[in-house]
Amino acid sequence: DAKTTQPTSMDCAEGRAANLPCNHSTISGNEYVYWYRQIHSQGPQYIIHGLKNNETNEMASLIITEDRKSSTLILPHATLRDTAVYYCIVRAPNAGGTSYGKLTFGQGTILTVHP
Amino acid sequence: NAGVMQNPRHLVRRRGQEARLRCSPMKGHSHVYWYRQLPEEGLKFMVYLQKENIIDESGMPKERFSAEFPKEGPSILRIQQVVRGDSAAYFCASSPQQGGEKLFFGSGTQLSVL
Repeated sequence: DAKTTQPTSMDCAEGRAANLPCNHSTISGNEYVYWYRQIHSQGPQYIIHGLKNNETNEMASLIITEDRKSSTLILPHATLRDTAVYYCIVRAPNAGGTSYGKLTFGQGTILTVHP
Repeated sequence: NAGVMQNPRHLVRRRGQEARLRCSPMKGHSHVYWYRQLPEEGLKFMVYLQKENIIDESGMPKERFSAEFPKEGPSILRIQQVVRGDSAAYFCASSPQQGGEKLFFGSGTQLSVL
């Protein structure tokens, strides 16, 4: 799986958009970009994933650059409950029968949403 | 539809005792994964199981750790003769099918070894 680089921490004001970047310059053509988050003392929560097109769901939007070497997770209206560690993960969907669900979590970005 | 259920939420053991962590996947999910999060470290994959089968245990320590997912009942992560270094948060996740990058995680079991 491709390596990802994320800032260690970010701050955001409540109600504003939170834009979390992720670099994955070694991404392969068949690798997807996944985002998970982990709120303190809870298990990780899936947010969104994409291959090359921008994606949006009820939680967030994912913007992937045309060369796919970086992406941005956007929380359009951050709330205090969005304070969490956000993980960007890159992997291929068919990495072998024994690899599904075997995610490599890095250190992630600690997002702090302020009142 | 209940989520992934883990129990106990907190488990305290003395060195040398056994720890049993339980995980009931979401209804309809037959794939279970265990992850461990050591203090101040990231989540690390331990093992991937399907009903009655261990598919990938490449992240499991070689000794004292075992996992099972029987035909009936929850998945169990068992740690024998616990040591202080086993103190960590253990998370279970499930997915409905093999292409399960979209994992559903439980709230975890915090194991403390005295």
